[in-house]
Amino acid sequence: GENVEQHPSTLSVQEGDSAVIKCTYSDSASNYFPWYKQELGKRPQLIIDIRSNVGEKKDQRIAVTLNKTAKHFSLHITETQPEDSAVYFCAAFNAGGTSYGKLTFGQGTILTVHP
Amino acid sequence: EAGVTQFPSHSVIEKGQTVTLRCDPISGHDNLYWYRRVMGKEIKFLLHFVKESKQDESGMPNNRFLAERTGGTYSTLKVQPAELEDSGVYFCASSRKLALQETQYFGPGTRLLVL
Repeated sequence: GENVEQHPSTLSVQEGDSAVIKCTYSDSASNYFPWYKQELGKRPQLIIDIRSNVGEKKDQRIAVTLNKTAKHFSLHITETQPEDSAVYFCAAFNAGGTSYGKLTFGQGTILTVHP
Repeated sequence: EAGVTQFPSHSVIEKGQTVTLRCDPISGHDNLYWYRRVMGKEIKFLLHFVKESKQDESGMPNNRFLAERTGGTYSTLKVQPAELEDSGVYFCASSRKLALQETQYFGPGTRLLVL
């Protein structure tokens, strides 16, 4: 089955700096890669996603890149703000394989942005 | 539209007792997923319903866990009898249809503590 590794497990940055979180996946058939942000005590919320036919996607201060050959994808947050502090999860999805329908998550990254 | 809701938000029970968690997906969403996050680790897949049918229950830990989705609307997840290692946050998610790369929307989770 699919296996997703996420690094780093914790990340501490100063406000205004950039933050990068990296994930690797094992199943080359995975074709959709969402990123979820979970603030303390709240539900995981989708912040950005990328599909396997795209190499990069941006939405204001956040961007995701995908390297299908190397089977890794990354989340980039620029000009970080204290409200970006949360746990970030990457995930991989294969709608057509044996892991039909389910998301496989990375271990999560605790991002802390210091004012 | 209303988001995914879960009940209860918290549950504290003793080992050997029974607990039933409920999930109400977004109206019209055929797909319903249960996930669990144990002790700050990754979010792990438990099972997937398409309408009232179990599509994939490969993530269910053992036969102490029973999930149902009668009528294809809300779902329940029963743990009987509960063990200490069942403690964690149980998330429900739903998606509109099993198209390629369909977004899964998460509920707020039920925090289960087994003493």
